[in-house]
Amino acid sequence: TQLLEQSPQFLSIQEGENLTVYCNSSSVFSSLQWYRQEPGEGPVLLVTVVTGGEVKKLKRLTFQFGDARKDSSLHITAAQPGDTGLYLCAGVLSGGYQKVTFGIGTKLQVIP
Amino acid sequence: GAGVSQSPSNKVTEKGKDVELRCDPISGHTALYWYRQSLGQGLEFLIYFQGNSAPDKSGLPSDRFSAERTGGSVSTLTIQRTQQEDSAVYLCASSSNHDRLSNQPQHFGDGTRLSIL
Repeated sequence: TQLLEQSPQFLSIQEGENLTVYCNSSSVFSSLQWYRQEPGEGPVLLVTVVTGGEVKKLKRLTFQFGDARKDSSLHITAAQPGDTGLYLCAGVLSGGYQKVTFGIGTKLQVIP
Repeated sequence: GAGVSQSPSNKVTEKGKDVELRCDPISGHTALYWYRQSLGQGLEFLIYFQGNSAPDKSGLPSDRFSAERTGGSVSTLTIQRTQQEDSAVYLCASSSNHDRLSNQPQHFGDGTRLSIL
């Protein structure tokens, strides 16, 4: 059983479409991070959200942390082929040291 | 570059052999992590080093797995008597944590792809 559930696990969309990826848990996190990983490379941090209800934008990507700090979403507007990759959410449990728990990831393919 | 460096990038070995994977973290980063990434399994935490503190080994899957971090810098992950289920990508990450509740991001290497025949 995954502490962090990500959905969908696979997503294939046409260029220009919008999409949302979800990261859910029954645990409360002190912070949550989103990473993107491309084939043959390690994950690269996109954003960290810390405050319940926080919304952060990174160009066409919008990240939201749930009010209760148990869930998060990533919304991509007008997806581009360059957005293709594996999107991972990672949570730091409240009261814990920097032991980060990763979700299984969402594999996104954007077709030109 | 100044990123996390892992070697080798690929390793193919026969079942039963021992393997050593190396990680050079970013200079000055006190925290170092090892993860295992398998298809459909996500990133599985293996071990965490923080400065001179005792490492958190709670993620190591069996006593065939061990890791060291010498001088607070380079780390090696050793897998003894490898099994086919050990085949995976092994990722190392470092971060500049200064306290327990720091939200410093982890910087990942590109991993070692281990294949056990």
